[in-house]
Amino acid sequence: QQQVKQSPQSLIVQKGGISIINCAYENTAFDYFPWYQQFPGKGPALLIAIRPDVSEKKEGRFTISFNKSAKQFSLHIMDSQPGDSATYFCAAAPVGSQGNLIFGKGTKLSVKP
Amino acid sequence: SAVISQKPSRDICQRGTSLTIQCQVDSQVTMMFWYRQQPGQSLTLIATANQGSEATYESGFVIDKFPISRPNLTFSTLTVSNMSPEDSSIYLCSVGGVGSYGYTFGSGTRLTVV
Repeated sequence: QQQVKQSPQSLIVQKGGISIINCAYENTAFDYFPWYQQFPGKGPALLIAIRPDVSEKKEGRFTISFNKSAKQFSLHIMDSQPGDSATYFCAAAPVGSQGNLIFGKGTKLSVKP
Repeated sequence: SAVISQKPSRDICQRGTSLTIQCQVDSQVTMMFWYRQQPGQSLTLIATANQGSEATYESGFVIDKFPISRPNLTFSTLTVSNMSPEDSSIYLCSVGGVGSYGYTFGSGTRLTVV
């Protein structure tokens, strides 16, 4: 069954700290792993994405770590800021996907000043 | 990446009625996708809409309940028919694919059925 399991469900981090959100998948046909950020009342916005041919991708304060053998990937937010407070979704799409992103259940991040 | 305009942004509807949600994209796209996000939940794909063909529905979603139109390469509508309170959700359209720009989402339509 195509599933993406995301944890934790909620996360509280102090300003300047590191936020870490984890996802795991089972379907080895997945080959695209994006992270989305969603603010209340808004649609999800692509934050960063990775393909399985690399183990890490960094864009600014956001880093995806990817472990193909363990079928896990994680989002690290360095120097977390109150403006990062949002819900984060990991997702996956299979090879040749025509749009069927499989989403994790989301992590509500609160960054305390 | 594409820019998506979705409307209405929110609506409160009576049970038993229908609501049509519009999705306009600023560029031509082959496929458009409709998702549902129930309160506090993740996103679930409802259907994929190709221009010139019938939409493809995911398990648990049927055309009679969620008819979709795709008259051209920049526009699509999703209708939520015969609404019940259980249909209260955010409905989102999306375009894109695997690659640099990924999938782009509209800002969503927050539907409340009373």
